[in-house]
Amino acid sequence: QVQLQESGPGLVKPSETLSLTCTVSGGSISSYYWSWIRQPPGKGLEWIGYIYYSGSTNYNPSLKSRVTISVDPSKNQFSLKLSSVTAADTAVYYCARESSNYVGGGYYYYYMDVWGKGTTVTVSS
Amino acid sequence: SSELTQDPAVSVALGQTVRITCQGDSLRSYYANWYQQKPGQAPVLVIYGKNNRPSGIPDRFSGSSSGNTASLTITGAQAEDEADYYCNSRDSSGNHVVFGGGTKLTVL
Repeated sequence: QVQLQESGPGLVKPSETLSLTCTVSGGSISSYYWSWIRQPPGKGLEWIGYIYYSGSTNYNPSLKSRVTISVDPSKNQFSLKLSSVTAADTAVYYCARESSNYVGGGYYYYYMDVWGKGTTVTVSS
Repeated sequence: SSELTQDPAVSVALGQTVRITCQGDSLRSYYANWYQQKPGQAPVLVIYGKNNRPSGIPDRFSGSSSGNTASLTITGAQAEDEADYYCNSRDSSGNHVVFGGGTKLTVL
């Protein structure tokens, strides 16, 4: 079965760039959307952005100016870069697979069916 | 609209039925999905699409939708169902993902 594993530094200094990688095992990165989601301490889930296996991306408008998501199909990995971080970016960061099903009439529905365990990133000097 | 609204907290007596709701304009176009999150753990998908349960999810979990409101129903709530529940969908454009603020379910 497909598993996701986040990796990257657990501590990032303010104003620097947060970089995380998600490794996909047990399946192919093809034909899915791959998302990053974060959860600040004690708060809810916030979608950061996704990349389609072909390389097309979409980002949360509130983070768009600071976010870059890329994919490396040869390594079955996708990555997140978040620039100019502040303490407000301290959170558990999850990667997730988003599947889609066709319902007819040109419409699909989407759902995140596989999640990584999450990695805690703290922004502090 | 890119917002999904959930009640912050709901409680249910052990063995009773509870409904958790999610409201948003995007739900007129997209099904809501539901995720269960227990402390210190990653979210787990419990309902997706019209009313589908992933393998391993008990059949006491069900989903429904009407207009701009989606509901997660737990019929015969168990102690292990105590958790945070999040709804999500694509926004009305279909290009972005949105999450509700989450509902903390307490089983009394």
